[in-house]
Amino acid sequence: KAGVTQTPRYLIKTRGQQVTLSCSPISGHRSVSWYQQTPGQGLQFLFEYFSETQRNKGNFPGRFSGRQFSNSRSEMNVSTLELGDSALYLCASSEQQGHEQYFGPGTRLTVT
Amino acid sequence: SQQGEEDPQALSIQEGENATMNCSYKTSINNLQWYRQNSGRGLVHLILIRSNEREKHSGRLRVTLDTSKKSSSLLITASRAADTASYFCATAPSGNTPLVFGKGTRLSVIA
Repeated sequence: KAGVTQTPRYLIKTRGQQVTLSCSPISGHRSVSWYQQTPGQGLQFLFEYFSETQRNKGNFPGRFSGRQFSNSRSEMNVSTLELGDSALYLCASSEQQGHEQYFGPGTRLTVT
Repeated sequence: SQQGEEDPQALSIQEGENATMNCSYKTSINNLQWYRQNSGRGLVHLILIRSNEREKHSGRLRVTLDTSKKSSSLLITASRAADTASYFCATAPSGNTPLVFGKGTRLSVIA
């Protein structure tokens, strides 16, 4: 099976702009989770989707949003970008919540 | 706060030596998982141990779980330079909650 793919891999944006990141899970996986990873805060959970429904949301402001489509592909959106949003954004898919997760290579977002 | 806390934060060893990393957590769990991350890349799942298991092996990896102490350890035997990476434990709490990752242990294996 093909692994988890994320696009784009690298992104440079300016403060105040908005960005959309995409994730395609492993075929058959219905759970998709998003994480933000920074050197200071480590790996922080953003949200989890299962069968197009958001099941859990981390402690992030409303500028961070996401959705999942009927084919399990997921997108996350960050509006009004801030310098502190610079991070590696990781997507992971799994068959069920709590099972092993398979991660994509990540999207490196730099906000200037 | 993070559910899992790895110890030590960083570890440097010679090739061929064993590396041991520890993870402590706070609440009851369904399972505990270990992941590896090479610099700036996605995480790779290494091993999952369920709450009713005490030890699990996978190749050169050995994981133990002590639910009474809420702790786990990951042992990598006969380490290689290619094992250089960050290692994270992640706990799957009971109920409908997502995996929670610790901040990781940075392992450097020197050839």
